[in-house]
Amino acid sequence: DSGVTQTPKHLITATGQRVTLRCSPRSGDLSVYWYQQSLDQGLQFLIQYYNGEERAKGNILERFSAQQFPDLHSELNLSSLELGDSALYFCASSVTPRGGVYNEQFFGPGTRLTVL
Amino acid sequence: KNQVEQSPQSLIILEGKNCTLQCNYTVSPFSNLRWYKQDTGRGPVSLTIMTFSENTKSNGRYTATLDADTKQSSLHITASQLSDSASYICVVSGSSTGTASKLTFGTGTRLQVTL
Repeated sequence: DSGVTQTPKHLITATGQRVTLRCSPRSGDLSVYWYQQSLDQGLQFLIQYYNGEERAKGNILERFSAQQFPDLHSELNLSSLELGDSALYFCASSVTPRGGVYNEQFFGPGTRLTVL
Repeated sequence: KNQVEQSPQSLIILEGKNCTLQCNYTVSPFSNLRWYKQDTGRGPVSLTIMTFSENTKSNGRYTATLDADTKQSSLHITASQLSDSASYICVVSGSSTGTASKLTFGTGTRLQVTL
């Protein structure tokens, strides 16, 4: 158990809908990262927050948005869903926002999103 | 363009055998290289993190090597067990002071250990 929690574990919805994925980081971690992993694909970095502020953006679609709240939990909002959005969405957390060797990212169990 | 390539794409071995997974990268500048183990449907778990000055690092039956000159890394698994069946992901960090967008992920090697 990494200490990072994600809800829900599974989500099934229809095209055109909007969903919200939730992540709670490890105790003490200030930085949260969101990743998308499509079937048989590598992890794709979406976005990073540190202490409530956006720090880095990856390949995140305009239909997707995220935020980190004062209690440090984060939500990833996916709207106007398409079939291709079906994937595993992982949240990770770390102490600092940097990529240094001592700043390991701990991954949550993921949310499996299925768009029908 | 920063890239991380892993080989083989998939591998099947018998329980008790050894295997070696490869990772070649073109990330520059280089800060560190990480190997993660990802069980099916689960989040990745870190196995090792290596800087350019480290040639070898072990974690139990897992031994990672790094050649920063040739930009190659390998993950050697000794005396494989059924629980080693997973995807192994190589991740290269391009900056020690940068942010997550500097991480480049490989697509992983899917290892299956059979009886």
